[in-house]
Amino acid sequence: DIQMTQSPSSLSASVGERVTITCRASQSISSYLNWYQQKPGNAPKLLIYGASSLQSGVPSRFSGSGSGADFTLTISSLQPEDFATYYCQQSYRPPRTFGQGTKVEIK
Amino acid sequence: EVQLVQSGAEVKEPGESLKISCKGSGFSFSSYWIGWVRQMPGKGLEWVGIINPIDSDTRYNPSFRGQVTFSVDKSISTAYLQWSNLKASDTAMYYCARQGGSYQPFDYWGQGTLVTVSP
Repeated sequence: DIQMTQSPSSLSASVGERVTITCRASQSISSYLNWYQQKPGNAPKLLIYGASSLQSGVPSRFSGSGSGADFTLTISSLQPEDFATYYCQQSYRPPRTFGQGTKVEIK
Repeated sequence: EVQLVQSGAEVKEPGESLKISCKGSGFSFSSYWIGWVRQMPGKGLEWVGIINPIDSDTRYNPSFRGQVTFSVDKSISTAYLQWSNLKASDTAMYYCARQGGSYQPFDYWGQGTLVTVSP
């Protein structure tokens, strides 16, 4: 199985701050990397697919980059509604593993 | 509007069987794979597998193979996740989600079905 490792596991940030979350695959997955946001009590929501493509309806403050094995999710200016847990997922090969999650909390 | 609506919460005892459902609407059900994701209490997301409604082709996560079974009734746009011998460790939220072709993400998700297995 392809292992996905996110860092950090959690972070505290203030509204307006720039936030970066990284995701590393145990092997090259080309650009088949997705990012999801999950708020407590809710289903995950797709933010970014194909490493850098913004899902329809997702605010432009979210962006993704990377290819191969190293990827980044950036929130350019953190908003109150962005406090949540973020997961990366590889869609290169089954089983399509997820990272362990990064919890973004209010500072 | 694309929707995936899952069946309600279940409370079962160890050893019992269970089948939960996921009904799609607002899209051509047979044109998308339907996947299942487990989230144990307070934990992260785990990919259980996917099923193709056209021919019931399946891809199981080896960690779940033999523990769960996927099925689909495309005539009513519904996918199912089934257990024949529940264990306490199956206690979790289970989400269904829609996936386009190969390499595509889960773009729409159901609301989740909470399964509790307790003696």
